[in-house]
Amino acid sequence: GENVEQHPSTLSVQEGDSAVIKCTYSDSASNYFPWYKQELGKRPQLIIDIRSNVGEKKDQRIAVTLNKTAKHFSLHITETQPEDSAVYFCAASRGGYQKVTFGTGTKLQVIP
Amino acid sequence: DVKVTQSSRYLVKRTGEKVFLECVQDMDHENMFWYRQDPGLGLRLIYFSYDVKMKEKGDIPEGYSVSREKKERFSLILESASTNQTSMYLCASRDRGSGNTIYFGEGSWLTVV
Repeated sequence: GENVEQHPSTLSVQEGDSAVIKCTYSDSASNYFPWYKQELGKRPQLIIDIRSNVGEKKDQRIAVTLNKTAKHFSLHITETQPEDSAVYFCAASRGGYQKVTFGTGTKLQVIP
Repeated sequence: DVKVTQSSRYLVKRTGEKVFLECVQDMDHENMFWYRQDPGLGLRLIYFSYDVKMKEKGDIPEGYSVSREKKERFSLILESASTNQTSMYLCASRDRGSGNTIYFGEGSWLTVV
């Protein structure tokens, strides 16, 4: 089955700096890679996703890159703000009838 | 707005009790999931269902069972609760098409004493 590894487990950055979180996956048939943000005491919510036919996707200050050959994908947050502090999860899925496998999470702290 | 509702936010149960966690979604989604969230371990899949009465084991199904008698409802059952099942349980749903967003419920905090 699919295995998703996520690094680092914790990340502290100064406000305004960039943050990068990396994930690797094992199943070459996975074709959908979402990223979720979970604020303290709240449910995880989708912030960005990418499909396997795309190498990069941007949405304002966040971007995701995918390297299918190496089977890894990354989340990039630029100009970080205190409200970016949260736990971020990556995930991989074949879609359709298949399960969704999550990484172990990265706790991001943005220091004002 | 998609809604995934977990009936109980906080529960305290005794060891050996049978525990039911209920989840309802209002978007006619085919897929529903139960995850367990523990610090440092992320979101681990317990069971998922891709249709009514259909279920598949996830990565940590031991000690759990599920029921999906209606499309909108997916129940997680702890047959005999143990202290190592103390955790946060998250229900989720999504449409079956590839790449569709997974929507989570607010979570159920279960403490087994």
